Amino acid sequence: AQTVTQSQPEMSVQEAETVTLSCTYDTSESDYYLFWYKQPPSRQMILVIRQEAYKQQNATENRFSVNFQKAAKSFSLKISDSQLGDAAMYFCAYRGSQGGSEKLVFGKGTKLTVNP
Amino acid sequence: DVKVTQSSRYLVKRTGEKVFLECVQDMDHENMFWYRQDPGLGLRLIYFSYDVKMKEKGDIPEGYSVSREKKERFSLILESASTNQTSMYLCASTETSGGLNNEQFFGPGTRLTVL
Repeated sequence: AQTVTQSQPEMSVQEAETVTLSCTYDTSESDYYLFWYKQPPSRQMILVIRQEAYKQQNATENRFSVNFQKAAKSFSLKISDSQLGDAAMYFCAYRGSQGGSEKLVFGKGTKLTVNP
Repeated sequence: DVKVTQSSRYLVKRTGEKVFLECVQDMDHENMFWYRQDPGLGLRLIYFSYDVKMKEKGDIPEGYSVSREKKERFSLILESASTNQTSMYLCASTETSGGLNNEQFFGPGTRLTVL
């Protein structure tokens, strides 16, 4: 079974600085998808960024980018120019491509604090 | 705008009560999910449904059942609530991707307290 590990339960960053959240996963599949979700305090979970395993190029969405290392099974999230609104729980998630399953496997999350 | 709604944001129930949590999506998605979120444990899948009247167990189905009579609605049922079911419950939906990297859309969550 696939597993997703987020080794940092909590992280903090100064406003305008850069922070990197770590995520590793375990799978025997060669094709799969990876996601970072954000859950602000008392608000809905939303997708931040996604990456297809067959793409070598790292995904980027404005201030958010990933460092995808397929061989190392690592998928870290970099937040540049951190803003107060980035404070949230961040979850890394994995989805396989076999069997048509849409199930996601989530990590335990990293709580990000942004200090003014 | 895509939308997943849940019937209650906060719910307080007594041990032994039958509890219904309702989730509705307006995106015509085939797949719907119920997760439980606990501090330090992340999101754990309880049940999911890939079509009307179809369901599959997730990682922690014990003590729960589900119902999907209509495509847009997915209900989570606690037959006899217990204190260890006190948690945040999240509903999500997604279309069948056929290999594409479709995202799951989440509801606002129901914080259930069982006394």
